[in-house]
Amino acid sequence: DTAVSQTPKYLVTQMGNDKSIKCEQNLGHDTMYWYKQDSKKFLKIMFSYNNKELIINETVPNRFSPKSPDKAHLNLHINSLELGDSAVYFCASSHRKVEQYFGPGTRLTVT
Amino acid sequence: DQQVKQNSPSLSVQEGRISILNCDYTNSMFDYFLWYKKYPAEGPTFLISISSIKDKNEDGRFTVFLNKSAKHLSLHIVPSQPGDSAVYFCAASRAPNSGGSNYKLTFGKGTLLTVNP
Repeated sequence: DTAVSQTPKYLVTQMGNDKSIKCEQNLGHDTMYWYKQDSKKFLKIMFSYNNKELIINETVPNRFSPKSPDKAHLNLHINSLELGDSAVYFCASSHRKVEQYFGPGTRLTVT
Repeated sequence: DQQVKQNSPSLSVQEGRISILNCDYTNSMFDYFLWYKKYPAEGPTFLISISSIKDKNEDGRFTVFLNKSAKHLSLHIVPSQPGDSAVYFCAASRAPNSGGSNYKLTFGKGTLLTVNP
């Protein structure tokens, strides 16, 4: 019973395509996040949702749009993919504490 | 602008000895500090955290020390085990705005720890 799960684990696609990454948590947490780990290995926050409401929106291109259908899900849709979008994307969740619990990551490769 | 820095990309220690991982930060407004462990092809796993009002927190083999005046924290692992071999990330966060529960973690670049049998 995985706490934070992401699908797919690997995603290879061509420039210009639109793709989505799904995230689900079964921890009953009220806050979910998306992080990006780039080629330099830095983990950087992209978005945060609390009870389906967008709270944190870092400087991320408009091509990235998070959607939270309910508290347990936070999906990431990316339009018009570019080479620079290649990275590992991590979903995380937390509940009224600083500790965040991460999913296994989705490795996105744009060719 | 790196607000959280881990200046040692790698560290190698013998099994049974102490591992000391270091982290420096520049933002004096951080309220919490955390350590995460990450194995290849997996997500980061939370290890231990410390509030800025404390200078030490211990959990089993893991102890985190915070020196606010030096803007420095360290993670001690005693005794080190081969299974501890992983990348260790230091992270920091401010408390959320009043009534909020979302924490924005700022991560360091990580230190690869190798524990040799």
